[in-house]
Amino acid sequence: QKEVEQDPGPLSVPEGAIVSLNCTYSNSAFQYFMWYRQYSRKGPELLMYTYSSGNKEDGRFTAQVDKSSKYISLFIRDSQPSDSATYLCALREGGSYIPTFGRGTSLIVHP
Amino acid sequence: DVKVTQSSRYLVKRTGEKVFLECVQDMDHENMFWYRQDPGLGLRLIYFSYDVKMKEKGDIPEGYSVSREKKERFSLILESASTNQTSMYLCASRGPGPNYGYTFGSGTRLTVV
Repeated sequence: QKEVEQDPGPLSVPEGAIVSLNCTYSNSAFQYFMWYRQYSRKGPELLMYTYSSGNKEDGRFTAQVDKSSKYISLFIRDSQPSDSATYLCALREGGSYIPTFGRGTSLIVHP
Repeated sequence: DVKVTQSSRYLVKRTGEKVFLECVQDMDHENMFWYRQDPGLGLRLIYFSYDVKMKEKGDIPEGYSVSREKKERFSLILESASTNQTSMYLCASRGPGPNYGYTFGSGTRLTVV
C-alpha cells in the first residue's frame, strides 16, 4: 500500500463547477498538508499549506484535512479553464523536511 | 518571491555523456532538493542538501551525484548518462521553519539518446 493515494484522473468538468480533489494516506504521523498545482511543462507551485486538521480558505480554494479519516481534500469553487492543471498533494511528518507526494490528479476545466 | 532558476529548459545528450544540471535560488535557503518526475511514477527524490557542502541521498540516487559549493547553487550530475535517465528534472528549495513548502524551478526536460 502506497503511503499517499491520489486518483490520477483526468477529471473533466465544465467551467463554473465545484471541483473536489482528494488524497488518502496511511501514515498517522503526517502533520503538514500541502497542495501544489503544476501546469504542463512547468514546475509545481505551492497552492495551499495547512497544519493538522481543519479547513483553510484562500479565494476560490479551500483545503480540508480530516486526520481521523486520513483524508485531505482541495475544493475549487467557480472553476475556470485556467485551473486546468495537475494537482499534487504533499504530506509531511513534523520532524522531517521531506514531504511524501501523491502522484497528482489531472484536472481539465472546459469552457 | 523566492525564485528557483534551472539553467536549461530542454537538453538532449548522448548516452555516456557527463551531464550537469544547474539550479540557483535567490532567497538564501539552506535546503535544496533534486527530483525527477516521470509519468505514472510521480516525483521521486534523487538528492537533497541541508547546507553548503552537505548532501544526502534520496530515494533514487543511483547514477547521480550532486555538488553544493555555494548556498545558492545546487548541481545535479549524471556521470554517464543513460537512456533510462530521460526525464523531467525539478529542483526545489525550502525556507526555514515548519511552515514552509517547496519552491520549485520550472524544470529541465532531459532526453538521452
